[in-house]
Amino acid sequence: QVQLQESGPGLVKPSQTLSLTCTVSGGSISSGGYYWTWIRQHPGKGLEWIGNIYHSGSTYYSSSLKSRVAISVDTSKNQFSLKLTSVTAEDTAVYYCARDVRGFATAYFDYWGQGALVTVSS
Amino acid sequence: SSELTQDPAVSVALGQSVRITCQGDSLRGYYATWYQQKPGQAPVLVIYGQNNRPSGIPDRFSGSSSGNTASLTITGAQAEDEADYYCNSRDSSGHPLVFGGGTKLTVL
Repeated sequence: QVQLQESGPGLVKPSQTLSLTCTVSGGSISSGGYYWTWIRQHPGKGLEWIGNIYHSGSTYYSSSLKSRVAISVDTSKNQFSLKLTSVTAEDTAVYYCARDVRGFATAYFDYWGQGALVTVSS
Repeated sequence: SSELTQDPAVSVALGQSVRITCQGDSLRGYYATWYQQKPGQAPVLVIYGQNNRPSGIPDRFSGSSSGNTASLTITGAQAEDEADYYCNSRDSSGHPLVFGGGTKLTVL
C-alpha cells in the first residue's frame, strides 16, 4: 500500500519561501511510471493543481504559479519537494501531494497525502 | 479552453439516484476523473477512465461521458455519500491540471 506524507512548516512569513516535502512509502519513486504532484486547496475552496515531477526530474507547472514554483525529487530518500517563493496570504492553503497515474485518455490521482495546512502570516 | 464547470450544489433524497455533471472542452478528448472529499479529509478517487472504480468504491458510483460533458451517477445515494465532488481531466498539455469547481452533494 502506497502512502504519502507531507511535512514542513505550518507557518510562513509573507515574502518568504514555503517549503514542503512529501515522503513516499510502499513504493519507489525511482521505479518510474508515475508523476508526483502537488495540489493545494484554499480554505473553503476547490482544488488547485500546482505542478508535478517525474522520477527523471522533468517538471511541469501551473501557468499561474510557474514563476514562483519549483518541484524537486530526491530518489535516494524517496521524497519530492515543493518550494513556493514570495508567498502572500493568498498562498494560505492545505497542500496535498499525490501520485498521478496515466492511462489511455486519462490520468488520475490514486494516492494522496493527508494534507498540510500552511498559513502565511507575520 | 482549460476549464471544467460543475454545479455548485446538488441534493438527493436518501436512496434516490443523482447525477453530478462536469462540462469542458477537454472532455471531448479525455475522460473525466472524479474525486470525493469529505470535510477535513483528503480527496478520494471514485471514478477514473471510461468508468472504472478503485477497489473499495461501492458499485453505486458510476461514470459516463457524452461530448463535452461527463457525469458521475450515484444510484441509491447513502448518507455517507454526502460530500464535495470534483471532476478533473487532462488538458492540451497532457497533464491533469484542470479541476472543476466542485459540487456539494447533500443527501436529504
